[in-house]
Amino acid sequence: EPEVTQTPSHQVTQMGQEVILRCVPISNHLYFYWYRQILGQKVEFLVSFYNNEISEKSEIFDDQFSVERPDGSNFTLKIRSTKLEDSAMYFCASILDRGSTDTQYFGPGTRLTVL
Amino acid sequence: KNQVEQSPQSLIILEGKNCTLQCNYTVSPFSNLRWYKQDTGRGPVSLTIMTFSENTKSNGRYTATLDADTKQSSLHITASQLSDSASYICVVSLQTGANNLFFGTGTRLTVIP
Repeated sequence: EPEVTQTPSHQVTQMGQEVILRCVPISNHLYFYWYRQILGQKVEFLVSFYNNEISEKSEIFDDQFSVERPDGSNFTLKIRSTKLEDSAMYFCASILDRGSTDTQYFGPGTRLTVL
Repeated sequence: KNQVEQSPQSLIILEGKNCTLQCNYTVSPFSNLRWYKQDTGRGPVSLTIMTFSENTKSNGRYTATLDADTKQSSLHITASQLSDSASYICVVSLQTGANNLFFGTGTRLTVIP
């Protein structure tokens, strides 16, 4: 069974520091996503990425956030200056194609704690 | 406004019993509806996917139904096991757009011995 992997599983950082969350999507997938889930709340869309560029982003994805696919396998989410409210689980997901029945595979998540 | 509502918010059942979780949505134009299982601290895992023309889909002890006319779906779990304890999330897809997934807040199921 193919899987999306994410590292680290838990990241603790000081407010104002930069963090990079890493993801390795499933190898033949074409669309990549970052979501976040604040404790006890629903999963929220951050950004989608296709063909080496951002397809769509939410209001949450402001100038402090950026994504990159540096080497054809990794997909990273960077938060430049973390805030307390950035503490959440961050999930990477990938999908082969945005067909009607394609399954979106989620990674196990990175728990980000901002102190 | 595109929304997905789930009920109940939480549910506790005895091991071996059945249960049904509900999902109502207002997402349009509808493409498909998915049920995910999310264990605590883990990413969601797909259980079922149903398109407009499907009204039932099974995956082992999980059976999902879809009524596209009333925009309602249910997830029925039979003969529950302790490992079924998790959050179950209903996700509805739009036909278009890169951000085309709308997530419900989930139902937290706890199965007790």
